[in-house]
Amino acid sequence: SAVISQKPSRDICQRGTSLTIQCQVDSQVTMMFWYRQQPGQSLTLIATANQGSEATYESGFVIDKFPISRPNLTFSTLTVSNMSPEDSSIYLCSVKRDTNQPQHFGDGTRLSIL
Amino acid sequence: EDKVVQSPLSLVVHEGDTVTLNCSYEVTNFRSLLWYKQEKKAPTFLFMLTSSGIEKKSGRLSSILDKKELFSILNITATQTGDSAVYLCAVSSGGAQKLVFGQGTRLTINP
Repeated sequence: SAVISQKPSRDICQRGTSLTIQCQVDSQVTMMFWYRQQPGQSLTLIATANQGSEATYESGFVIDKFPISRPNLTFSTLTVSNMSPEDSSIYLCSVKRDTNQPQHFGDGTRLSIL
Repeated sequence: EDKVVQSPLSLVVHEGDTVTLNCSYEVTNFRSLLWYKQEKKAPTFLFMLTSSGIEKKSGRLSSILDKKELFSILNITATQTGDSAVYLCAVSSGGAQKLVFGQGTRLTINP
């Protein structure tokens, strides 16, 4: 499976600030996704990162709050904007090498907002 | 709305026991069902199931899918303390192939 590097691993941020999370894959992949896992909860899909075009967001998530970039087939970023304590979560990127392969996850970013 | 339900939500057993974790689903345009193990932050892939009745096996872990009854089970035999984790079931549906996750089963293996 692909090697997926996600950074930062963790961060503590002040409310009202923004943080950008990076996801780097060691080989080209067809699909990249961003998930959120709130404390004690399961994973929820934020959006599908589309290479060279705007991300596809799930219900309840908007581009102004979670802008996503995917400039090529190996890299994507998720920005959490104007953070509040409710944004304290683990953020995970995942990749699919092709349509018949499973999704594999990066190590995740644990974000705490004070 | 697509839905994945896991049971039990929590399970505590002794080392050496065998456990069965359950996952039922209701999704449109089913493509596959996946099991993951989550110990810290990153879910680790275990199995991907697409066909009914075909058991997938890896060491002490095995899983099977029933597409008629819309459920899957994950079996772990001769459990070890290292099996302690949250086990996540997810279903991939539609052309977008996004995953819908269940709540997870928190498994604790006591020595």
